Amino acid sequence: ETGVTQTPRHLVMGMTNKKSLKCEQHLGHNAMYWYKQSAKKPLELMFVYSLEERVENNSVPSRFSPECPNSSHLFLHLHTLQPEDSALYLCASSRGSGGASYGYTFGSGTRLTVV
Amino acid sequence: GNSVTQMEGPVTLSEEAFLTINCTYTATGYPSLFWYVQYPGEGLQLLLKATKADDKGSNKGFEATYRKETTSFHLEKGSVQVSDSAVYFCALTGGSNTGKLIFGQGTTLQVKP
Repeated sequence: ETGVTQTPRHLVMGMTNKKSLKCEQHLGHNAMYWYKQSAKKPLELMFVYSLEERVENNSVPSRFSPECPNSSHLFLHLHTLQPEDSALYLCASSRGSGGASYGYTFGSGTRLTVV
Repeated sequence: GNSVTQMEGPVTLSEEAFLTINCTYTATGYPSLFWYVQYPGEGLQLLLKATKADDKGSNKGFEATYRKETTSFHLEKGSVQVSDSAVYFCALTGGSNTGKLIFGQGTTLQVKP
């Protein structure tokens, strides 16, 4: 257990469904991140939150909608996804702006399959 | 911007062989450097890090030295085990205090008994 917990571990959803991924950390970190990991592709940074404020959105389609209600929780809301969105979605946290020098702590990921 | 390049995989070794996974970087300023490991079905775990030139990070028998003159941070292990089979990612801080880590594409290591 790394201190960053992601649920669910596996998710299968149809293209018309709406679902949410959850990430929780109690490490006292104040920056959180969503990454997408697809087969044979580099890690893609999707969103960055620092002190609950979104500071980066890397041209992610609007069918992915992040939410950070407090510094311990991060959600990724999904709707009308495409099969190419199937991937491992990783959440990470760090000590915040400038805290990257300490590294990130990752969760175990949610394996998403869109059918 | 800052970037990192890793050697292509997969790397296949026999147990007890010597491991080197090459990593080179391009950066402005003085980034921190990291190696992460991802075991099958898991997220990434921090393996080791170095925050300034000539620092050596080490953990679980793995080592990497921050070489500013060659802009490299190669990962080494003297004797690999089957349990080291995983994907290894080199990363560096994004510079300008952005709070971001920039990852390489990952190198798959397979160790055979």
